[in-house]
Amino acid sequence: GQQVMQIPQYQHVQEGEDFTTYCNSSTTLSNIQWYKQRPGGHPVFLIQLVKSGEVKKQKRLTFQFGEAKKNSSLHITATQTTDVGTYFCAGRGDGGSQGNLIFGKGTKLSVKP
Amino acid sequence: ETGVTQTPRHLVMGMTNKKSLKCEQHLGHNAMYWYKQSAKKPLELMFVYSLEERVENNSVPSRFSPECPNSSHLFLHLHTLQPEDSALYLCASSQKNRAFSYNEQFFGPGTRLTVL
Repeated sequence: GQQVMQIPQYQHVQEGEDFTTYCNSSTTLSNIQWYKQRPGGHPVFLIQLVKSGEVKKQKRLTFQFGEAKKNSSLHITATQTTDVGTYFCAGRGDGGSQGNLIFGKGTKLSVKP
Repeated sequence: ETGVTQTPRHLVMGMTNKKSLKCEQHLGHNAMYWYKQSAKKPLELMFVYSLEERVENNSVPSRFSPECPNSSHLFLHLHTLQPEDSALYLCASSQKNRAFSYNEQFFGPGTRLTVL
């Protein structure tokens, strides 16, 4: 079945450093979504990418969708303590399974002030 | 607040108990989901209710039984659970459009379940 792999599992950075998490799918995706879950909280939607090669920015966050629509990345510039949490990618396959989301394991980001 | 509420927020139950988790969405969405989140696994989709259809993950044990009486309410009935079922159970909702694609999912706060 479809799998979504996400690396790294953990990332510890100094405040001000950059951070990147990568997501790879075993199959082509129709779209990919990114979520953030704060400690003790629930996943909150950040963004959806649909087009091959698409790049979207939200302030210090840059999201990319690969040309083959099988991989994606989230890059945070100059991390802040408010960026702490677990970042999940979630891919939706092309056809089948009624388009249900498959979540990666997430990357847990900690930021040292 | 995301517009999706879950009760109870915390639940401790024995293996012989029967309990139910409740989810309610106030967003007018037409699809609702149950996910299981445990420490060492990614978010696992358990059940989807969309336009009165039910889709389930075949790996979910029969001791979990969903019920969706209408588009705003979703229940998860629990019966003779095992300690390994202890996890955070998250409900989510989304809007399925005519192109059979789904928009973003809105998650509830979750129910932290502990099975003794």
